[in-house]
Amino acid sequence: QKEVEQNSGPLSVPEGAIASLNCTYSDRGSQSFFWYRQYSGKSPELIMSIYSNGDKEDGRFTAQLNKASQYVSLLIRDSQPSDSATYLCAVNSNNAGNMLTFGGGTRLMVKP
Amino acid sequence: GAVVSQHPSWVICKSGTSVKIECRSLDFQATTMFWYRQFPKQSLMLMATSNEGSKATYEQGVEKDKFLINHASLTLSTLTVTSAHPEDSSFYICSARVGSYYSNQPQHFGDGTRLSIL
Repeated sequence: QKEVEQNSGPLSVPEGAIASLNCTYSDRGSQSFFWYRQYSGKSPELIMSIYSNGDKEDGRFTAQLNKASQYVSLLIRDSQPSDSATYLCAVNSNNAGNMLTFGGGTRLMVKP
Repeated sequence: GAVVSQHPSWVICKSGTSVKIECRSLDFQATTMFWYRQFPKQSLMLMATSNEGSKATYEQGVEKDKFLINHASLTLSTLTVTSAHPEDSSFYICSARVGSYYSNQPQHFGDGTRLSIL
């Protein structure tokens, strides 16, 4: 079992819709959770950080964390074609030497 | 804030050449920096963790004598690919984290270096 799992996609949504990206992790000791966006040929860019259970909103992005279910998600409202990218879920755990463990990424395609 | 600069962005060189890549944290001090490699359509692969003032920690399977890492200051880490060969061609990305080794802050990535060995 991978430590951080994501559906590779592609997830295709129409412009203006809500895109929902999901991530599960195996280490219950994980404490910090991050979403990165990576455009093709570019390096990852931090989108959201979340540390406690519940929702955290930043503009069109909402991160949701449920530590009991070991589940973290990212919602993108009013999706735009410019949101088309690969979204990486990353988990920071003391058990992993305080390093980030990345999921394989979900490729999102927003169609005009 | 939390800007990481990586240089050069693109390198093309002949087989056998050594290539140095620099990673700088511009507006914060980074006790720990990280070096990743990414092949086309694949996930990020952590190569090593660079600790200021001490030896880097390499991931399993990464040759420390081939990928030399120096983290001489709190704002600069360098990765030298020694005697590079075509199979070393890849996208190399550094990242840095605000705070100490135990920080729970996110990693911020440089723009990456695309290395092509002919």
